[in-house]
Amino acid sequence: SQQGEEDPQALSIQEGENATMNCSYKTSINNLQWYRQNSGRGLVHLILIRSNEREKHSGRLRVTLDTSKKSSSLLITASRAADTASYFCATLGGADGLTFGKGTHLIIQP
Amino acid sequence: EPEVTQTPSHQVTQMGQEVILRCVPISNHLYFYWYRQILGQKVEFLVSFYNNEISEKSEIFDDQFSVERPDGSNFTLKIRSTKLEDSAMYFCASSEDGTSGTYYEQYFGPGTRLTVT
Repeated sequence: SQQGEEDPQALSIQEGENATMNCSYKTSINNLQWYRQNSGRGLVHLILIRSNEREKHSGRLRVTLDTSKKSSSLLITASRAADTASYFCATLGGADGLTFGKGTHLIIQP
Repeated sequence: EPEVTQTPSHQVTQMGQEVILRCVPISNHLYFYWYRQILGQKVEFLVSFYNNEISEKSEIFDDQFSVERPDGSNFTLKIRSTKLEDSAMYFCASSEDGTSGTYYEQYFGPGTRLTVT
């Protein structure tokens, strides 16, 4: 898989349920960032987790990072219809530019 | 809350024409970036800019591309002679710093959709 590869590619859940998305990467990183993108719109920064951190919370978001497995997960609790979007992980290694995955398209059914 | 802004939101141009995409990064940020997203594909890094010069560029950022910070607030991407395959969403981003070794969040603008006909 390529750097910053998310799974599943698509996820459909009922409103109120929790949504979990995973990201795997190949090379060493300084940090990993999660972004949300509504259809055809810009990228909204959600959360950054550094390589020496294992878990981070922000509101209904919980991100974990396992550098030994080169993987991260994003958990959205108590999902809402407004959470419908594509979610991307992006890694930052020794270079300036973020490396993005293909994203998980999340649909919250009302 | 401060945000990155971009103009125009949509630009249509003919093949071979020059285009300039404009961005206003967040005011206290020091690092600026351009990314692009071809429809249905991943977001790709083009270039980073720090201290009035290019810090890093990807292999996509060839001689037809250039960046400039013409004044204290604007950051521009110029595509000298557009090709059909340049059609994409172009995102500007900025971050507080990038030199500390730990790096900071990159905040993205809403994007400029470039259509080359």
